[in-house]
Amino acid sequence: DIQMTQSPSTLSASVGDRVTITCRASQSISKWLAWYQQKPGKAPKLLIYTTSSLESGVPSRFSGSASGTEFTLTISSLQPDDFATYYCQQYNAYPLTFGGGTKVEIK
Amino acid sequence: EVQLVESGGGLIQPGGSLRLSCAASGFSVSSIYMSWFRQAPGKGLEWVSVIYNGGATDYADSVKGRFTVSRDNFKNTLYLQMNSLRAEDTALYYCAKTSIVGYSYFDSWGQGSLVTVSS
Repeated sequence: DIQMTQSPSTLSASVGDRVTITCRASQSISKWLAWYQQKPGKAPKLLIYTTSSLESGVPSRFSGSASGTEFTLTISSLQPDDFATYYCQQYNAYPLTFGGGTKVEIK
Repeated sequence: EVQLVESGGGLIQPGGSLRLSCAASGFSVSSIYMSWFRQAPGKGLEWVSVIYNGGATDYADSVKGRFTVSRDNFKNTLYLQMNSLRAEDTALYYCAKTSIVGYSYFDSWGQGSLVTVSS
C-alpha cells in the first residue's frame, strides 16, 4: 500500500497568513493526488485534484504543487472560512490512502 | 444537482450485521465509480470499498470478506452490507462519487451515517 505522510499535523496561523501543508508519498504516484477540506461535523470537500487542478468553485487562494513524491497545498492568504482540517489522498493505485490530516487552527 | 444521502447506521452488537444505503440523485450510480469511506471518532479518513462503473468491486484489507458493496441501478442507490462487525468498525461512513471514470478523486460526498459497534 502507498503510505501518505502529511505534515504538520496541526498548524496555528492568523488570517492573512500564507499556509503550506505537505504530503509525501512512499512511492511514485505520478500526479494523482487530491486535497480535501473537512470542517467539524461535515463531509470532506474536494479542493484540488491531479496535484494542481482547482475544483470548480474553490477560491483561487488555494493551490497545489509537487516535487517528486512531495506534494504541497498552499493557501496564499488564510481566510476565516479556511480554518479546518485538510487531507491529501493518492489515487495512483488502490487501496486509496489518505494523509493523516492537518488541522489549521486560529493563532 | 448531485446529492448523496446515506442511511441505515445505528448501534449494533459485535458480530452483528448492518446495511448502509446511499441514495443518489442528479447522476447515475452506474455511470461512475462509487466508494465508501469511514472516519472513526476523532480520526482521519479511511477508504473502505469501491464499485466501478462496470460493476467490479474492491475492498480495504480491513473489511475484505466481511463487507460487500453493491448498487441498484433502478433505485439509483449504493449499498454497503457489513457483516461480522467489530468494535473497530465504529465510524461515520460516507459514500462518495468520482468526478470522472478512471480517476478516483471524489467530488461529491454524502453527509455520513454513524455506525457504532458495541455491546
